[in-house]
Amino acid sequence: AQTVTQSQPEMSVQEAETVTLSCTYDTSENNYYLFWYKQPPSRQMILVIRQEAYKQQNATENRFSVNFQKAAKSFSLKISDSQLGDTAMYFCAFIHTSGTYKYIFGTGTRLKVLA
Amino acid sequence: GAGVSQTPSNKVTEKGKYVELRCDPISGHTALYWYRQSLGQGPEFLIYFQGTGAADDSGLPNDRFFAVRPEGSVSTLKIQRTERGDSAVYLCASSLGPSSGNTIYFGEGSWLTVV
Repeated sequence: AQTVTQSQPEMSVQEAETVTLSCTYDTSENNYYLFWYKQPPSRQMILVIRQEAYKQQNATENRFSVNFQKAAKSFSLKISDSQLGDTAMYFCAFIHTSGTYKYIFGTGTRLKVLA
Repeated sequence: GAGVSQTPSNKVTEKGKYVELRCDPISGHTALYWYRQSLGQGPEFLIYFQGTGAADDSGLPNDRFFAVRPEGSVSTLKIQRTERGDSAVYLCASSLGPSSGNTIYFGEGSWLTVV
């Protein structure tokens, strides 16, 4: 069975600093997508960044970047220049490229950005 | 509409009652998903629709749960004989099509409390 593990239930970071959220996953498949979603108190899940497993280059979206280590099945999220608006729950998610439409989510990391 | 719309945003019901939760996806999105998020957990897959048909309902926990999408747009999640364990946020999401690589967009969820 596929699983996604986020080992950091809570983290905090000072405004303008950099923080890294960890995610590991387990799958026997070779082709899949990985995502980081942000869930602020409004509850709406917002896509932060996505990575295709066949791409070796790490995805980047402005202040957000990932460190994708396929052999280690690791997919960490780095947030640079943290802002107060980054305070939220962050979920790592995974889906195979074929045969299923089930996104598998981790249990989340609660990030608090401190002023 | 501009985003995925879910109603009601909050619902309190008595144990044993019947509940309907509505989802209006982004216009033009053929794929629709229901997820359930319990406190402190990541979203868990319930059901996936492609058009009017339920392509995968393997996540529905038991036969008290049922979902429809009669015209391929709005979907309703129906829960019969509610139990306290059904208390959770029910998230709806939609995407352009069935490709697992398509980004899914979430609504703000319906927070169900069974007392």
